[in-house]
Amino acid sequence: SAVISQKPSRDICQRGTSLTIQCQVDSQVTMMFWYRQQPGQSLTLIATANQGSEATYESGFVIDKFPISRPNLTFSTLTVSNMSPEDSSIYLCSASGPVLTDTQYFGPGTRLTVL
Amino acid sequence: QKEVEQDPGPLSVPEGAIVSLNCTYSNSAFQYFMWYRQYSRKGPELLMYTYSSGNKEDGRFTAQVDKSSKYISLFIRDSQPSDSATYLCAMGWGGSQGNLIFGKGTKLSVKP
Repeated sequence: SAVISQKPSRDICQRGTSLTIQCQVDSQVTMMFWYRQQPGQSLTLIATANQGSEATYESGFVIDKFPISRPNLTFSTLTVSNMSPEDSSIYLCSASGPVLTDTQYFGPGTRLTVL
Repeated sequence: QKEVEQDPGPLSVPEGAIVSLNCTYSNSAFQYFMWYRQYSRKGPELLMYTYSSGNKEDGRFTAQVDKSSKYISLFIRDSQPSDSATYLCAMGWGGSQGNLIFGKGTKLSVKP
């Protein structure tokens, strides 16, 4: 299974600012995903990070708010833009591959608090 | 009606007990089913996955899928304090494994 790391592990940010979260996988993977996990709620998929092209966003999430990059097969970033307290959550990166039917493995998450 | 229902607990059991965790779902298109374990302040860790109805066993863990009833279970035998965590069921369809729908998770505490 792939080993996934995320930076930062946690952060406290001011309203109106932006934070970029990095996700690094120790092997080449086919798919990378970004999730949000709010207290008492299910994991919610934000988007699929596509290598070399624009991310595919789920309903309710937009590129202006959550720009995503994936410059290669092992690295992706998620930016949370113009933050508000409602963005306080855990953000998780996951990956699957190299075979499309491989299961998803998750990073440790980034705990974000917006004041 | 949510696509995946999971009792959030918390569930507290004594060490050595058999634990049963369950999820129900409404979408008959789901083709594969997973259980993840999430320790506090950690990311979810894949425990079990299956693509068919029936039972799948791995050590102390057994995953059970009943597609006719749209019901899945995870059984933990001889539960240990180290099993204390939140258990998330997840379900998906399609070949990409990108379309996973998660339950809210059940928080389990195993008391020594």
